[in-house]
Amino acid sequence: EPEVTQTPSHQVTQMGQEVILRCVPISNHLYFYWYRQILGQKVEFLVSFYNNEISEKSEIFDDQFSVERPDGSNFTLKIRSTKLEDSAMYFCASSLLEAKNIQYFGAGTRLSVL
Amino acid sequence: DAKTTQPNSMESNEEEPVHLPCNHSTISGTDYIHWYRQLPSQGPEYVIHGLTSNVNNRMASLAIAEDRKSSTLILHRATLRDAAVYYCILRDLSLIQGAQKLVFGQGTRLTINP
Repeated sequence: EPEVTQTPSHQVTQMGQEVILRCVPISNHLYFYWYRQILGQKVEFLVSFYNNEISEKSEIFDDQFSVERPDGSNFTLKIRSTKLEDSAMYFCASSLLEAKNIQYFGAGTRLSVL
Repeated sequence: DAKTTQPNSMESNEEEPVHLPCNHSTISGTDYIHWYRQLPSQGPEYVIHGLTSNVNNRMASLAIAEDRKSSTLILHRATLRDAAVYYCILRDLSLIQGAQKLVFGQGTRLTINP
């Protein structure tokens, strides 16, 4: 069964460093999403992406965050200058054009900012 | 998005049915009721969705009250692998344009006893 793949599974970085989290969505999906989950808290929406542009973003997704689909398969989330409070699980998801309500999630990347 | 209310936790025994309730008294006519679940150390996973009629799939059944102000996710024969946090989410599928974020609450943490 096709699945969303995220790499790395765990990323450790120093505060102030840039990180790029990578995702390979399901191949025929056209909508892409990033969510995050701080330990013990709710899953929170960050951003959605369609047709090479951001569809919607949350208040969390400030100027330190950016997303990109650099080629036909990858979807990346960049955090320019990480803060301690960016430590969380980051989940990528994708959905079909005709079934946006059914989102398929990856296993996540655990980001630890020291 | 209309608000949903779920119990914080529930417990059941293996091989017994589990009924997970969700209240959504402010649901609008175009809101679909979705259920996702999050297994330990995994990303969220779609379970089922419906509008008015009861729905069945290979994972679960969804029973929707006649007034649509509540619904119940039914796991017919729980296994240890069903231990997860279950989220009830409303989505307005009449919104055709753009990607649609999922808004997660705290969900119900389901524990399955062997």
